[in-house]
Amino acid sequence: NAGVTQTPKFQVLKTGQSMTLQCAQDMNHNSMYWYRQDPGMGLRLIYYSASEGTTDKGEVPNGYNVSRLNKREFSLRLESAAPSQTSVYFCASRLQESLYYNEQFFGPGTRLTVL
Amino acid sequence: GENVEQHPSTLSVQEGDSAVIKCTYSDSASNYFPWYKQELGKGPQLIIDIRSNVGEKKDQRIAVTLNKTAKHFSLHITETQPEDSAVYFCAASTREYGNKLVFGAGTILRVKS
Repeated sequence: NAGVTQTPKFQVLKTGQSMTLQCAQDMNHNSMYWYRQDPGMGLRLIYYSASEGTTDKGEVPNGYNVSRLNKREFSLRLESAAPSQTSVYFCASRLQESLYYNEQFFGPGTRLTVL
Repeated sequence: GENVEQHPSTLSVQEGDSAVIKCTYSDSASNYFPWYKQELGKGPQLIIDIRSNVGEKKDQRIAVTLNKTAKHFSLHITETQPEDSAVYFCAASTREYGNKLVFGAGTILRVKS
């Protein structure tokens, strides 16, 4: 039971390049999330998927797209990377959306640098 | 929208002492307040949480208190150990984005032995 896995762990891009960050969970969770973490700003929600087949924008969606490929996988795409997207990206999942919270599990993160 | 402020940004304590981290939130409708611990190079991990119908919750050396009237909640770690050194994040649920979590900026806790 690996939990939430992310690939790659590290990536360096040049401005304008594109890439996809991969995330998968093996806990049969319905909801998945992408966050970015910047110094002094905590974690900010980029996009989320409440269930398979649905995606919605979070707090900072500009410059990103997502795909909920199936129940296990949720990818984040940068079409034209910018230096402002240099950050650590975390994927998370939880059992389901509900009024009563259930724990959100995080992956190990992807450290992205855009030159 | 919801705004969560966390203090202090860094905290150094001697091993065995207590550590307290405080957070305030703005949305009176928030009803869930988790605390996450992030070790170097890893993702955040839930250590304790509290719901709005409870004032205090304890789990061994860690406890969380919630004051709904003042809209603040705190993490208390007693008998700190070197392995408690990490970044700690508070969070609050929000009515925006389908009831998602809004995180504080984090506190770097250093426990000196």
